[in-house]
Amino acid sequence: GEDVEQSLFLSVREGDSSVINCTYTDSSSTYLYWYKQEPGAGLQLLTYIFSNMDMKQDQRLTVLLNKKDKHLSLRIADTQTGDSAIYFCAENGSSNTGKLIFGQGTTLQVKP
Amino acid sequence: GAVVSQHPSRVICKSGTSVKIECRSLDFQATTMFWYRQFPKQSLMLMATSNEGSKATYEQGVEKDKFLINHASLTLSTLTVTSAHPEDSSFYICSARDRRRGGAGELFFGEGSRLTVL
Repeated sequence: GEDVEQSLFLSVREGDSSVINCTYTDSSSTYLYWYKQEPGAGLQLLTYIFSNMDMKQDQRLTVLLNKKDKHLSLRIADTQTGDSAIYFCAENGSSNTGKLIFGQGTTLQVKP
Repeated sequence: GAVVSQHPSRVICKSGTSVKIECRSLDFQATTMFWYRQFPKQSLMLMATSNEGSKATYEQGVEKDKFLINHASLTLSTLTVTSAHPEDSSFYICSARDRRRGGAGELFFGEGSRLTVL
């Protein structure tokens, strides 16, 4: 079946790097995503990576994909207090219609 | 960029009443929209896939008679929670895919609608 797992909580100090990890089970996933959710708000797409890529960098964000181990990570460089939010990893599984399977979300707490 | 709008953002209703939530794609057409439900401190669970001009596809365990979905146009899908009960209280989020674009990267989410049933 399709399953996505994330650690639930991460705390870092402002200015440090944050690394949020995610594992998934469906090897047929073609896209893997990172979304950010601030309190009481919807989801904001941060970045996504195609399954044939190992890495994608976008300003402070770096996504690493280990397809063999089905492991995805999101690194946020120079973490700011405004980065405090819940981060969701998601995969599209064997579907290309837009249906996504989400992890439980990782709450990132950034301390000043 | 593309925007998906949900309305209302918050709604409080009495038990037994029905509530309609709208999801609109503001600057693109969406043949497919998705409705998710999120409980506090939990992940998003897909409820159903809304297809323009046809019946919605519901996920296992989701009551289609309880959660009515209508996708009457390429820019609007509605979710009606019928005879709402306190256990239906949740955060409902829709997403829409821009039909002009290929791949699965262009999926946009609404801001969510928080339903509280008293």
